[in-house]
Amino acid sequence: DQQVKQNSPSLSVQEGRISILNCDYTNSMFDYFLWYKKYPAEGPTFLISISSIKDKNEDGRFTVFLNKSAKHLSLHIVPSQPGDSAVYFCAASGGNAGNMLTFGGGTRLMVKP
Amino acid sequence: ETGVTQTPRHLVMGMTNKKSLKCEQHLGHNAMYWYKQSAKKPLELMFVYNFKEQTENNSVPSRFSPECPNSSHLFLHLHTLQPEDSALYLCASSHGAFQPQHFGDGTRLSIL
Repeated sequence: DQQVKQNSPSLSVQEGRISILNCDYTNSMFDYFLWYKKYPAEGPTFLISISSIKDKNEDGRFTVFLNKSAKHLSLHIVPSQPGDSAVYFCAASGGNAGNMLTFGGGTRLMVKP
Repeated sequence: ETGVTQTPRHLVMGMTNKKSLKCEQHLGHNAMYWYKQSAKKPLELMFVYNFKEQTENNSVPSRFSPECPNSSHLFLHLHTLQPEDSALYLCASSHGAFQPQHFGDGTRLSIL
């Protein structure tokens, strides 16, 4: 049973518009969440993280929102750029297992020029 | 110099072979990890090392044997693997728990 789910396998967005990537989790012990970006033939690259004491964290064009009651987080990219085209993974950890990340299956984002 | 370096990038081996994957991090981190990514499946954590000590073994078969001689180096020794072990093996490192993990580019392993 997947504890972290990304229900949209792919998303297509026009350059300059907002990209919204979603992630749901089931384990109420999770309290640290991260987003990674992955290009083909490269390892995942860390983008942004958020702990459960916050509901929003922003870094440049990237903002992560956390809704603990809904066990849902989202990544907003504004404005989207063609170079953002990649697979995006959300990950979570918590409790006494802060080192143990559980990953979602990924969402492929395509930003069209 | 990249932060986390994995060698080799590609490896093809028979089921009776013994080989090792190597990972080196230049970030001053004290925790290192092995992950497996099989086709159409999420990344799965295999092993966690903190300050050279193994703290997690995520129910990994004994044909995978990790080794962490120091905080900068991590190995994954492979022997008598099965075809279903073909996957991308990723190494990562971090400053510890609840810190971002930084990944290498992985080793693509194919078992014949």
